[in-house]
Parts: sequence; C-alpha cells; structure tokens
Amino acid sequence: KNEVEQSPQNLTAQEGEFITINCSYSVGISALHWLQQHPGGGIVSLFMLSSGKKKHGRLIATINIQEKHSSLHITASHPRDSAVYICAAHQNDKIIFGKGTRLHILP
Amino acid sequence: EAGVVQSPRYKIIEKKQPVAFWCNPISGHNTLYWYLQNLGQGPELLIRYENEEAVDDSQLPKDRFSAERLKGVDSTLKIQPAELGDSAVYLCASSAGTVETQYFGPGTRLLVL
Repeated sequence: KNEVEQSPQNLTAQEGEFITINCSYSVGISALHWLQQHPGGGIVSLFMLSSGKKKHGRLIATINIQEKHSSLHITASHPRDSAVYICAAHQNDKIIFGKGTRLHILP
Repeated sequence: EAGVVQSPRYKIIEKKQPVAFWCNPISGHNTLYWYLQNLGQGPELLIRYENEEAVDDSQLPKDRFSAERLKGVDSTLKIQPAELGDSAVYLCASSAGTVETQYFGPGTRLLVL
C-alpha cells in the first residue's frame, strides 16, 4: 500500500463543475504539496500547506492533520484545468508522491 | 526569473549506451532533486543534494546511475549502461530548502531502444 493515496485516479467532468480531488496519507508529515502536470509538460507547484486552507484563484486546498487527509478543489472548472494533479507529502526530509489524479474537463 | 532548466528535452538511445542529463536549478536554490517518472505514476526520488552534498541517494541504482553537483549549482545525472527499463521522464527540481516549495524543470524524456 502506497503511503500516499489519491482518489479518484481518473475524473472526467463538464466545464463549470466543482471538482474535488482527495489525498490520504498514512505517515506523519511536516507539509503537503499539490502539484499540477499538463500532458507533456513540466510539473508546477500549486500549494504547499501544513494546516488549514489555502486559496489561489479558482483553486482551494485544505488539509486535516488529525485525519491525515487533504483535498484539492477547483471551482468553475475549465478545459484548461485538464491535467494530472499530484499530492506529495513531506515526511521529515523525504517526499512521498501519490500516483496522481488525471482530470479531464469537457467543454 | 528563469526556472529550472534541463537538457536535453528528449533522448533516444540504444540499450547499453551511456546517457547524461543536465540540470540548472533556480539561482540561489541550495536543494536539488533528481526524480524518475514512469507513465501514469508519480515522481520517484533518485537523489537529493544539499549544495554539493548528496544527502539522500538511497533510491539511486548505483550500479548504473551516477550523479554529481560539483560546485553546488548545476547537476548531471548519468546512466551507464542504459537498459530498456530506464525509459522514463527524468525530472530535476530545486528548492530554497528541504521543506520548501519545489520548482520542477520540464524533464528529459528518455527512450531506450
């Protein structure tokens, strides 16, 4: 079992829908990253958080340390949001990556 | 500000040949990472540098892989000899510190025939 699990693995939604991607981890962490990777493109860091909630534009990331769970939300989704979203947990000086959630937003 | 630069972007080689990848991190970033990413998977850490010191190379297959960061800035990752299973994207990332936001390069897509 991977120490960082994401769900769903794949998600297809219509433009405008509210999107939630979940990340659960089984280890103690000091921080958690949400990353975005477009097809054939590099990885972009969206958020790094260790508690509470962060918002950037239409993206919101939350983390619940007690429940070892984080969510990434996208409001008013758009086809350009189509990408792979990866959750990565900082454990001491190691980083453990989830396998990613492939999101496809249909116009 | 320039991001993390990697070259080449693509490389096709025959098995048993050597290959090298180069990474130039963001200026001032002391921490540099090399990752391997297979299709449909998240990145897997190969090696992490703090300045010129490799502080975590536990996942680096040392029989064929080597890396260096001689002056604590640019880094190279080498595979010799390459095997078919080494086909993947090799990502370089840098950060200002260990638990800081990582900035990723575009990656080098390696195909071993």
